Amino acid sequence: AQSVTQLGSHVSVSEGALVLLRCNYSSSVPPYLFWYVQYPNQGLQLLLKYTSAATLVKGINGFEAEFKKSETSFHLTKPSAHMSDAAEYFCAVSGYTGTASKLTFGTGTRLQVTL
Amino acid sequence: NAGVTQTPKFQVLKTGQSMTLQCAQDMNHEYMSWYRQDPGMGLRLIHYSVGAGITDQGEVPNGYNVSRSTTEDFPLRLLSAAPSQTSVYFCASRSAGQETQYFGPGTRLLVL
Repeated sequence: AQSVTQLGSHVSVSEGALVLLRCNYSSSVPPYLFWYVQYPNQGLQLLLKYTSAATLVKGINGFEAEFKKSETSFHLTKPSAHMSDAAEYFCAVSGYTGTASKLTFGTGTRLQVTL
Repeated sequence: NAGVTQTPKFQVLKTGQSMTLQCAQDMNHEYMSWYRQDPGMGLRLIHYSVGAGITDQGEVPNGYNVSRSTTEDFPLRLLSAAPSQTSVYFCASRSAGQETQYFGPGTRLLVL
């Protein structure tokens, strides 16, 4: 079985401040890990993914995440927040269970960026 | 290349009515999935398909049916709508050789 825990359903940062969104996972097989972003009234867009290559993964819009196996974490960071980063962010884990790999999502973290 | 498309964008149903949510992709992806998104619960898998003619249940399949007669289309049927099915529904697809899923824009469903 696999699961994802996102700590903090709402995070508020000032524009220009560091963004840190936390994600811990549980998986019985080597995981693939993802961060998706959802802007208001839109679908999900892939930010970045970890697929067992480099542990530090760079994504779009200046975001990056570090896979730490010992901590079972995959936290998302951005050095300097921009107003356009306000959105909901979902961490997800993928692993083979049965006939195909399935994606399990966390409950999401809504990021607010203030002036 | 339209990617994953969903229709309708918004729908209001009365309890007991049936309807079909449409999903199509033009990327020749083998895998397609349906998720529902509810506040505070993230996205939960309803049904998925690994190819034409092959479907399986996800985490929350009750009250929903699917079929996959072509690679491109994966409709989701609500047989008898209930207020608990009020949600935003997302369709996604991916290639068999890749782990990245591509999502449609969603269908917002309100059941009264």
